[in-house]
Parts: sequence; structure tokens; C-alpha cells
Amino acid sequence: QITLKESGPTLVKPTQTLTLTCSFSGFSLSRNGEGLGWIRQPPGKALEFLALIYWDGDKRYNPFLKSRLTITKDTSKNQVVLTMTNLDPVDTATYYCAHRRRNTLYLDSWGQGTLVTVSS
Amino acid sequence: SYVLTQPPSVSVAPGQTARITCGGNNIGGKPVHWYQQKPGQAPVLVVYDDRDRPSGIPERFSGSNSGNTATLTISRVEVGDEADYYCQVWGGGIDRYYVFGTGTKVTVL
Repeated sequence: QITLKESGPTLVKPTQTLTLTCSFSGFSLSRNGEGLGWIRQPPGKALEFLALIYWDGDKRYNPFLKSRLTITKDTSKNQVVLTMTNLDPVDTATYYCAHRRRNTLYLDSWGQGTLVTVSS
Repeated sequence: SYVLTQPPSVSVAPGQTARITCGGNNIGGKPVHWYQQKPGQAPVLVVYDDRDRPSGIPERFSGSNSGNTATLTISRVEVGDEADYYCQVWGGGIDRYYVFGTGTKVTVL
């Protein structure tokens, strides 16, 4: 059974950097084909892909946010970290991490999400 | 960038059939995946690769994909199906990332 849990600050000031951690179990991010992604959802709005990291360290970013995002993994800790720089109130959202099933193009398990508010 | 367009809302009576469309340029050439999201909860995958269902998802959920439109069909709708639904593809070419649809709110009357 796959479980994922997001953690990080709930309140961030504008211009600051956000660091979120996804802690997971039930799969290994060192296994060929596995991946883990970050998706966010502003209140009342649609899902928006942020970043994905593959088992081999390859990464994909939302091209519209790429300059502000960094995704890394620590396989030994079963964690993936997302950093987003230069936060703005429009970045207020629930941030989810999700498992990309091996060699597929969909996200089969999601964390519960963590709400991040950007406000001074 | 690749865009997926869904109707904002669909209303259906219990026991009837709900159809949610997802429009995209030549979407029929891409595998489409669907997620259900109930209020305050994380999304749940209900259909993958156009028409396959994960374990535990009722047969009432089915999908199709052709041309410029993919469709999620919910048969014999139940009150518990009331939720937001999102389609998703993996963008091709330079859009090599997850693309989500605009979302559809299904209301069970």
C-alpha cells in the first residue's frame, strides 16, 4: 500500500522561498520507472502540475513555473523535496504530492495535501 | 501549451447517466486519465488509459476517447458520485508534463 504525506509551512510571506517535503512509503523511488510529482490547487480552482522527478533523477517542470521550482529526492529517506522561490499571494494553494506508477502516464496515489497561504 | 477544456458543471438525477467531456487537439491520440475529487479530499484516479479502472472503482465509471474529445461516463449515478472531475494527459512535444483539464462539477439533483 502506497502512502504519501506532505509537510511544510502553512504560512509564507511574499518573496520568501517555500520548501515542501513529501514523505512516502510503499514503493522505492530507486526502482526503474517510478516517479513522484507535485501538483497544486488554489482554493476553488483546478489542479496544476508543478514538477516530477523520476527514479533516475530526470526531472520535468511546468514550463510556466520552471524558473522558480526545484525538485530533489532523497531515496534513502523516501522523501522528495520541492522548493519554490519568490512566493506571491497567487501561490496560495493546497499542495499535493502524488505517485507516478511505474512506466505509466498517470498518478495513482495522492497525499492528503497541505494548504500553504502566502500573506504578509 | 496543450489545453484541456471541460464543461464547468454537469447536473444529473440519481440513477441517470452523467457524461463529462474533455476537449483537446487530437486528444484521441493520447491516453486520457480521469480523477474524482470530493470536497476537502485529494483527487482519486477513477479511469486510466482512456477506459481502464483501478481496483476498487465501480464498473459504473467508464471512459472513451476519440478525435478531439474524451468522455467520462458515470452510469446509474449515485449521490456519492457528486464531486469535481478532472481529465489529464501527458503533453507531447515540448509539453512533456502533466496537463489537467479545467474540471467539471457533477451535481446530483
